[in-house]
Amino acid sequence: GNSVTQMEGPVTLSEEAFLTINCTYTATGYPSLFWYVQYPGEGLQLLLKATKADDKGSNKGFEATYRKETTSFHLEKGSVQVSDSAVYFCALSDGGATNKLIFGTGTLLAVQP
Amino acid sequence: EPEVTQTPSHQVTQMGQEVILRCVPISNHLYFYWYRQILGQKVEFLVSFYNNEISEKSEIFDDQFSVERPDGSNFTLKIRSTKLEDSAMYFCASGATGGESNQPQHFGDGTRLSIL
Repeated sequence: GNSVTQMEGPVTLSEEAFLTINCTYTATGYPSLFWYVQYPGEGLQLLLKATKADDKGSNKGFEATYRKETTSFHLEKGSVQVSDSAVYFCALSDGGATNKLIFGTGTLLAVQP
Repeated sequence: EPEVTQTPSHQVTQMGQEVILRCVPISNHLYFYWYRQILGQKVEFLVSFYNNEISEKSEIFDDQFSVERPDGSNFTLKIRSTKLEDSAMYFCASGATGGESNQPQHFGDGTRLSIL
C-alpha cells in the first residue's frame, strides 16, 4: 500500500543554518505530495504542495521538489529561524475518490538562537 | 481566512464512557475527514465523509466509532465505550474536492482525548 517515510528527529539547528528534512514515498499511480507543519499547541497547517513530477512547491522560504525517479519530496530551507521550530509532516494523497492523506511520522525541528 | 474549528480542545473521559468530538468544517467544503495521532506516532486516517455518508474508513474505524453531520455546519465523531488506547489527538479536516488530489485539506487544531 501507499506509505511515506520521513527522517527521524529531532533535528536541532542554529539560526540561519540550512535545513533538509528527507521524505520518500511509496505509491501506485501519481500521488500529490504535501508538507504540513504543526507549531506547538496548534493544528496541522499546509506548508506547500506539489501535484506532479518535477513540480516545486514553495512557501515561507521552504521548498520541496517532487522527484518521481527517486520517489522523494525533501523539504529544504536556506536559512532557518527560531520561529520555524515545529513538527513537519510529509504526506501524500493518492487521488482516489476520498483523497485521504497518508502521513509520515513527523520530524521535530528545533532552531536555537 | 476561513478555518476548521474543533471543540473541545481537551476532553477527559472515564474508560467505558461515550464521547462526542465536534468539528465545524469550512462552510463551502464538501469532504470531511477525521484523523488521529497517538502520542509520538504518525497521523492516521480514520474516516472520510461525503454527501451524508461514509466514503472510506480505515481498519481503525470499527463499530465503536461513528460520524454524523447532524446539520449544515457540524461534523461529529462519536466514540462509544472508550478504551485506554483511544487516547490521542483527533483532527478534523475538510476539503473542497475529493477526487482532485491537488486540493489540500484544511485541518482544525485538534481535540486531545484522554481516557482514564
